[in-house]
Amino acid sequence: GGIITQTPKFLIGQEGQKLTLKCQQNFNHDTMYWYRQDSGKGLRLIYYSITENDLQKGDLSEGYDASREKKSSFSLTVTSAQKNEMAVFLCASSIEGGSAETLYFGSGTRLTVL
Amino acid sequence: GDSVTQTEGLVTLTKGLPVMLNCTYQTTYSPFLFWYVQHLNEAPKLLLKSSTDNKRTEHQGFYATLHKSSSSFHLQKSSVQLSDSALYFCASRNYNQGKLIFGQGTKLSIKP
Repeated sequence: GGIITQTPKFLIGQEGQKLTLKCQQNFNHDTMYWYRQDSGKGLRLIYYSITENDLQKGDLSEGYDASREKKSSFSLTVTSAQKNEMAVFLCASSIEGGSAETLYFGSGTRLTVL
Repeated sequence: GDSVTQTEGLVTLTKGLPVMLNCTYQTTYSPFLFWYVQHLNEAPKLLLKSSTDNKRTEHQGFYATLHKSSSSFHLQKSSVQLSDSALYFCASRNYNQGKLIFGQGTKLSIKP
């Protein structure tokens, strides 16, 4: 079995700050995803990547950048943190990204902006 | 655009009773439907999935049937346990599309 590791688990930032979240997977999966989880709003896709150096925008990409420099890692940058923002950011991976593929999730990074 | 709707935000039940969590979807093409479960402070994980019309799929006592005529994929269990308390997400994905679209989630709370 494999594992997805997200760092840090908790991230506290200041308004306007640039913040980076990291994700590593050892499944050797091709496709990786970043989702944002807000209470009552389900999981919304920010970015995904089907292979190293590929980036695809999701529905919520504005205000974020992403980077996939290695197959095993996918990082997300909040370009300018918004005051009072609170959310959980979930990283996931799947073998190919085909229609039937199961997503494997990390435990999340909980962001609080003061 | 494509969407997934879960009508209940919170469902509270007593242990031993049956449950049905609603999921309907809107999609242009033939979809795969998924249910993911997230226990408190844990990662979401796949519960079950299907793309076959009118065929029941089961896992860990939960079951769902994809009905393309009504665009539904409701999750059911005949007798809930305390350990079933969790957040349940319905999701869909089309052929040729990389992204999975999630519903808003339903929190299931089971009382003794």
